[in-house]
Amino acid sequence: AQSVTQPDIHITVSEGASLELRCNYSYGATPYLFWYVQSPGQGLQLLLKYFSGDTLVQGIKGFEAEFKRSQSSFNLRKPSVHWSDAAEYFCAVGAGNTGTASKLTFGTGTRLQVTL
Amino acid sequence: NAGVMQNPRHLVRRRGQEARLRCSPMKGHSHVYWYRQLPEEGLKFMVYLQKENIIDESGMPKERFSAEFPKEGPSILRIQQVVRGDSAAYFCASSETYDSYTEAFFGQGTRLTVV
Repeated sequence: AQSVTQPDIHITVSEGASLELRCNYSYGATPYLFWYVQSPGQGLQLLLKYFSGDTLVQGIKGFEAEFKRSQSSFNLRKPSVHWSDAAEYFCAVGAGNTGTASKLTFGTGTRLQVTL
Repeated sequence: NAGVMQNPRHLVRRRGQEARLRCSPMKGHSHVYWYRQLPEEGLKFMVYLQKENIIDESGMPKERFSAEFPKEGPSILRIQQVVRGDSAAYFCASSETYDSYTEAFFGQGTRLTVV
C-alpha cells in the first residue's frame, strides 16, 4: 500500500527566508506526486505535480519541488517566503496503477507559520 | 468555468440526524471523489464515483455512509444517524477523465459539526 510521510508537523520561518518542506513516500511503482496548499477555511489548491520527466518541477506562487527516486522524496522549496504563504501544506501520492492520479493518499500535513 | 462547488459550506447536525453533502463537479467532469479530513489529520479517500456508478468505495465506512452521483444533478454524500466522530471536513474533487495524468480539482469542502 502507498503511504506518505511529512515528518515536520509545524515549521516557522521568517519572511524572506528560504523554505523546504519534506515529503517521503512509499510506493511500488512510478509515483504520481503532488503538493497542495490549504489556507484556513479553504479548499485545497494544487501547487505542483510530478508525473514523469524532469525531476525538478516548477509550480505556482514561486514553489518548486524535486523528485528524488533514490531517497523516495519529493521536497517542496521556496527561495523566499512571503507572509501570505502561511498555510497547511499537504504532500500526496497518486495511485497510478489504478489508472488515475486522482485517488490520492495524503500526508498528515505541515503547518507553516511565517513571522514578520 | 466554475470550479467544484460544494454545499453547504458548514453543516451542524445533532447526533442521530442525517447529513447530506452536495458536490457539483466542474463542467465536463464526470468523475467525482470524496475525501474526509479529520481534525489534525490529512485527507482520506472515501469513494470514487462516475455518473450513476460507484467505482471504488474502499474508503467508505461500512455503515451509515452512502454516496451517489445521479445522471442529473450533484453528487451526494449521505451520513445517516451521525455521531460526534463524524465531525470533519468533507472534500469533493472532480476530474475529466480516468487516466494516469488526470488532475483532480478540489472544492472548498463542507465542514460538518455534530453536536
